[in-house]
Parts: sequence; structure tokens; C-alpha cells
Amino acid sequence: DIQMTQSPSSVSASVGDRVTITCRASQNMNSWLDWFQQKPGKAPKLLIYAASTLQSGVPSRFSGSRSGTDFTLTINSLQPEDFATYYCLQVDTFPWTFGQGTKVEIK
Amino acid sequence: EVQLVQSGGGLVRPGGSLRLSCAASGFTISDKYMSWVRQAPGKGLEWVSVVYSGGNTFYADSVRGRFTVSRDNSKNMLFLQINNLRAEDTAVYYCAREPMMDVWGKGTTVTVSS
Repeated sequence: DIQMTQSPSSVSASVGDRVTITCRASQNMNSWLDWFQQKPGKAPKLLIYAASTLQSGVPSRFSGSRSGTDFTLTINSLQPEDFATYYCLQVDTFPWTFGQGTKVEIK
Repeated sequence: EVQLVQSGGGLVRPGGSLRLSCAASGFTISDKYMSWVRQAPGKGLEWVSVVYSGGNTFYADSVRGRFTVSRDNSKNMLFLQINNLRAEDTAVYYCAREPMMDVWGKGTTVTVSS
């Protein structure tokens, strides 16, 4: 199974900050990795698919990239509505696996 | 409007069964593959299962043999049959449209307790 190690588990940031979240795959994989945002009591929302493609309607301050087995979600100029928990999901190999999540909190 | 409306959760005793439903509108599920994802209380997301448009199904190791995903294309509905429930199956269960899980249901809660 491909394990996705997501870091950090939480981050405190201020409005306007840049936040970077990383998922490291336990083995080589293709760029079949998606990023989701989840707010309390709500279903997840797709932000990025195929590692770097922005989902329609998602603000351009969100971006995704890949370097080897490291996948990164970057939020530029953090906005109040961005305080949430973020998850990566690899859909390269069954069983699909989520990262453990990163909670972005207000500093 | 594209949406997924879920139903079927509830309180079940260990060893019991439930069938979760996910009704699609605004698109035809026979054209898509569909996934189930769950989230235990206070925990992260866990992928559960996917059913492809051709009928192939895949499951997480933790549920294989107890969970069965199916579709009724005539009703535009997705189902998850959950058998031999365990306490660790307690979670909110979400259905999601593939590819990319771009549309999600609101979730239905399954509680396994004696």
C-alpha cells in the first residue's frame, strides 16, 4: 500500500500568510494525487487534482506541485475562509489512501 | 443542480447490517465511477470503496468482505451494503462522484454500539 505522510499535522497562521502543506508518498507513484479542504461538519471540497490542476471555481491562491515523492499544497495570502483541515489523497494505486490531515488554525 | 443526497445511516448493534443510499441528480451515475469515504468521530478521512461504470469494484482492506458497493442505474442511485458491523465502523459515510471526488454528499452517520 502507498502510505501518505502529511505534514505538518497543524499550523497556526495569520491572514495574508503563505502556508505550505506536504504529503510524502511511501513509494514512487504517478501524479494521481488530489487535495481537499474540509470545514467542521461539512463534506470535503476538491481543491487540486492530478497534483497541480486547480479545480474549477477554486481561488488561484491555492496551488499544487510535485517533486519526486513529495506533493505540496501551497496557499498564498491566506484568507479567513481558508482556516480548515486539508487532506491529500493518492488515487494512483489501490487501496487509495488519504494523508492524516493538516489543520490550519488562526494565529 | 448536480447533487448527491444520502440516507440510510443509524444506530446498529455490533454484528448488524445497514444499507446506505446515495441518490444522484443533475448527472447520470452510469457515466461515472463513484466512491465511498468515511470519517470516524474526530478522525481523518478514510477511503472505503469505488465502483467503476463497468461494474468493477475495489475496497479498503478494513472493509473487504463485509462491505458491498452497488448501483441501480435505473434509479440513478448508489448503495453501500455494510454487514457484520464493528465498533470501528462508526463514522460519517460520504458518497462522492468520480473522477476526482468533485461532488460529495452531505454524509450519513453510522453508529455501531450495543
